[in-house]
Amino acid sequence: NAGVTQTPKFQVLKTGQSMTLQCAQDMNHNSMYWYRQDPGMGLRLIYYSASEGTTDKGEVPNGYNVSRLNKREFSLRLESAAPSQTSVYFCASRREDSGSYEQYFGPGTRLTVT
Amino acid sequence: AQSVTQPDIHITVSEGASLELRCNYSYGATPYLFWYVQSPGQGLQLLLKYFSGDTLVQGIKGFEAEFKRSQSSFNLRKPSVHWSDAAEYFCAVGEAAGNKLTFGGGTRVLVKP
Repeated sequence: NAGVTQTPKFQVLKTGQSMTLQCAQDMNHNSMYWYRQDPGMGLRLIYYSASEGTTDKGEVPNGYNVSRLNKREFSLRLESAAPSQTSVYFCASRREDSGSYEQYFGPGTRLTVT
Repeated sequence: AQSVTQPDIHITVSEGASLELRCNYSYGATPYLFWYVQSPGQGLQLLLKYFSGDTLVQGIKGFEAEFKRSQSSFNLRKPSVHWSDAAEYFCAVGEAAGNKLTFGGGTRVLVKP
C-alpha cells in the first residue's frame, strides 16, 4: 500500500515549456486534490476532483489544467510554465469514512521555472 | 470565505520544554479543524482533527489541541518537545466535512538541544 505517489520529485523548466505532474493513490478514495506550497502562504488549492469524471477550480487555478484519468490518477498540467509557478506541488486524496475525512498527502514535486 | 491565521511564523523551543502553536480561524458554520506536520522535504502528516464533541482532542506524537469556539481558536500543544518535533506545522479548516481545506501560513518550529 503506497498511499499517494507523485512523479517527478524534482523538475526544472524554462519559461514557456509545458509539463504534467502525475499523481496516483491506491486507497480507493473518491476525492483528490492539487495544492501548491509557497513560503509563508501555507498550501493553496489549485484544483480538486470530488469523483472520477469531475473537476473543480480551487483558489489558484490560473495557468493550470487537470485530468482525473480514473479513480486512482489525477494529473496537473502546466501548458506554458511561468516563473510564478515555481513552487512545491502536493497531491492529496481524501478518506471519506464516517468520522474521518482526513486528507492524505503525497511527498511533493519541487518545480523550478527559470 | 473561510480563513486560517497562524500568528507565529517561527518558534524556537528548548528540548523538553512545552510548546504551544496558535491557530485562529474564520468560518461561518461549525468548523472541521485539522493540524498537520511537515518534516523537511516531506509531505504533510495529520496530527489530529476536530469535528465535534470533546473540545480537547488528542493526536499522534503526544500532541493535543483545544477547540475554543468563543475565541475561534484551535491551538496545538505538547507538554515536552523532542528534537524530532522540529518541523513546520499547519492548521487547516475544512468545509462540508473536509472536502476542501484552507490552510494557515504555517509555523516553523526549531528545537534547541
